[in-house]
Amino acid sequence: QLHLQESGPGLVKPSETLSLTCSVSGGSISTSDYYWGWIRQPPGEGLEWIGSIFYSGSTYYSPSLRGRVTISVDTSKNQFSLSLRSMTAADTAMYYCARVTRGGFRAFDIWGQGTLVAVSS
Amino acid sequence: QSALTQPASVSGSPGQSITISCTGTSSDVGGYNYVSWFQQHPGKAPKLIIYYVNNRPSGVSNRFSGSKSGNTASLTISGLQAEDEADYYCSAYTSSSTPYIFGTGTKVTVV
Repeated sequence: QLHLQESGPGLVKPSETLSLTCSVSGGSISTSDYYWGWIRQPPGEGLEWIGSIFYSGSTYYSPSLRGRVTISVDTSKNQFSLSLRSMTAADTAMYYCARVTRGGFRAFDIWGQGTLVAVSS
Repeated sequence: QSALTQPASVSGSPGQSITISCTGTSSDVGGYNYVSWFQQHPGKAPKLIIYYVNNRPSGVSNRFSGSKSGNTASLTISGLQAEDEADYYCSAYTSSSTPYIFGTGTKVTVV
C-alpha cells in the first residue's frame, strides 16, 4: 500500500526558505499514472494547492506562489520536495504531500499525514 | 481564482441525511467532472471520499454519494453517524491558471 511521509523543519524564520521532502514508499514515484503534489492548510483555515510535479520533472505552480516556490523530484530516492522562499507568518500552515491521479479522475487520492510549519523569529 | 463556495456548517441527527453544496463556475465545477470530496477529522489529513463527481474509492461507505448540476456539486451523507462529524472539502479541476481549487469547507455536526 502506498504511503507518503513529509519531513522537514517545524520552525522557519521570516525571510528564510522552507524545504520539505515527501518520501514515497510502497510504490514507485516514476509512474505515468500520477502527479505528485503539495497542499497546505493554515491553522483553522481551508486547503490551498501549492503545486504539482510529474516524475519527468514537469511542474505546475499556484499563481499566488509562483516566483517563491520550486518543486523537484528525485526518482532515485523515490522522493519529491518543496522549496518555498521568503517565508512570512502568512506561510504558517500544515503542509501535506499527496498523490494526484492523472488523466481520468484528477483526484488527490493518497495524502501524507502532514507536517506543521511555523514561521517565527 | 477564489475558492469554491460551501456552507460553513451543516448539522443533522443520527440517521438523517444531509447535503453539502459546493458552488463554482463554468470554468471549474460546471466545466469538468473532476470534482472530489474530502473528509477531514480534527488533527488528521484529508481523506478522499468521492472522486469524479460520484465515485467512491474502495473502502468508503456507500452512505456517501455525490452529484452535480450546473456549477454546483453536492455531497450527501445518508444515515448520519457520529463518526461523520468532521470537516468536508470539495475540490475541482479548473481551466484557469490554478488547475486545482478547493472549497471553503463545511463543518458537519451530528446533534
